[in-house]
Amino acid sequence: SQQGEEDPQALSIQEGENATMNCSYKTSINNLQWYRQNSGRGLVHLILIRSNEREKHSGRLRVTLDTSKKSSSLLITASRAADTASYFCATDRSRAGGTSYGKLTFGQGTILTVHP
Amino acid sequence: GAGVSQTPSNKVTEKGKYVELRCDPISGHTALYWYRQSLGQGPEFLIYFQGTGAADDSGLPNDRFFAVRPEGSVSTLKIQRTERGDSAVYLCASSPPWGSGANVLTFGAGSRLTVL
Repeated sequence: SQQGEEDPQALSIQEGENATMNCSYKTSINNLQWYRQNSGRGLVHLILIRSNEREKHSGRLRVTLDTSKKSSSLLITASRAADTASYFCATDRSRAGGTSYGKLTFGQGTILTVHP
Repeated sequence: GAGVSQTPSNKVTEKGKYVELRCDPISGHTALYWYRQSLGQGPEFLIYFQGTGAADDSGLPNDRFFAVRPEGSVSTLKIQRTERGDSAVYLCASSPPWGSGANVLTFGAGSRLTVL
């Protein structure tokens, strides 16, 4: 079952603009990850935020996590045409031997189109 | 190899046939995962291996699905008596040993299965 719900389902912007995608989930998590998928290809990991973190940055990416609202957002600044892809949030609730083991529950994704 | 390799990239079969999908993970990655992605959806967890053993197979939809990893490296996902509803992209991922502080998955490009 899909735990995450992403919003919006599709986003169309111009190059140079910022893109914000949101993800909501239902149960407590160990960490939340964002992945990117280009059409017809595998997923690429973008960023991981742990449940005790509130914000992380990686290059043009900024991720926030609000565990009280069970939500996360991914911000891509100064978007480029090459950022066109589907973006998925994935939550990790797995736990064995005191550590999570990467069993991820993905949302349905946001399709981002960046027009040159 | 440098990445996760999956073969075949495309498989077309007839309803009722048997199918095997192969995954060659990144060398040294002890954790291996199979996910299934239907059109327009996010990936759904099928099974997780730590070494040779299936540590979590809770995502396998029924007993027609089986996966092995006999030597702790290459894994094969086996589907018996295929049905049209099995049509999807089957994604394999691997990750470093747990406890290394990293639980980021590296995905392969997937095997697209079409059951006619």
